[in-house]
Amino acid sequence: GNSVTQMEGPVTLSEEAFLTINCTYTATGYPSLFWYVQYPGEGLQLLLKATKADDKGSNKGFEATYRKETTSFHLEKGSVQVSDSAVYFCAPHSGGSNYKLTFGKGTLLTVNP
Amino acid sequence: DTGVSQNPRHKITKRGQNVTFRCDPISEHNRLYWYRQTLGQGPEFLTYFQNEAQLEKSRLLSDRFSAERPKGSFSTLEIQRTEQGDSAMYLCASSLGGSGLKETQYFGPGTRLLVL
Repeated sequence: GNSVTQMEGPVTLSEEAFLTINCTYTATGYPSLFWYVQYPGEGLQLLLKATKADDKGSNKGFEATYRKETTSFHLEKGSVQVSDSAVYFCAPHSGGSNYKLTFGKGTLLTVNP
Repeated sequence: DTGVSQNPRHKITKRGQNVTFRCDPISEHNRLYWYRQTLGQGPEFLTYFQNEAQLEKSRLLSDRFSAERPKGSFSTLEIQRTEQGDSAMYLCASSLGGSGLKETQYFGPGTRLLVL
């Protein structure tokens, strides 16, 4: 089955710092890739996605590029804000007939003013 | 588009009691998923529906757990004879069904269960 390895947290940054959260995966075939964000006490919100190799997903200043050759989907943001403090999850879907998502443990990001 | 809704948002129960959670997916979404998330971990897949048919169940879903989606719209997840190890956030997600972008899953706010 699929598996995901995410950069271990917690990650603590100052406002306006550059963010990278590494994600590598193993999967059968070429799955779509997703980043979800979870704010305290809430469910998961879709942050961005990419459906094929070399696609770049982007949203709210965050970006991630689908790298098939390295099976990676690293999340980046040029200038983080306090409001970006949350847990970030990388997840490929399984493809096949059910498209279930496989999540990593998540990376807790804290941004200080 | 009102998003995926889940009820209740919080549930506290005593060990041995039965509990039932409800999920209302985004309208016209054919696929519905249940996941479980324990503290400090990512969500884990429990089960999946295509319309009213339950097509896959994880080994995590013991025989105390049952899920239904009777008319292909809302779904319920029941846990019988709850145990303390069932304490978790139960997340529901739905998707249009198809491939590519149509397979994007949208999550509800979750139901947090605490078994005393």
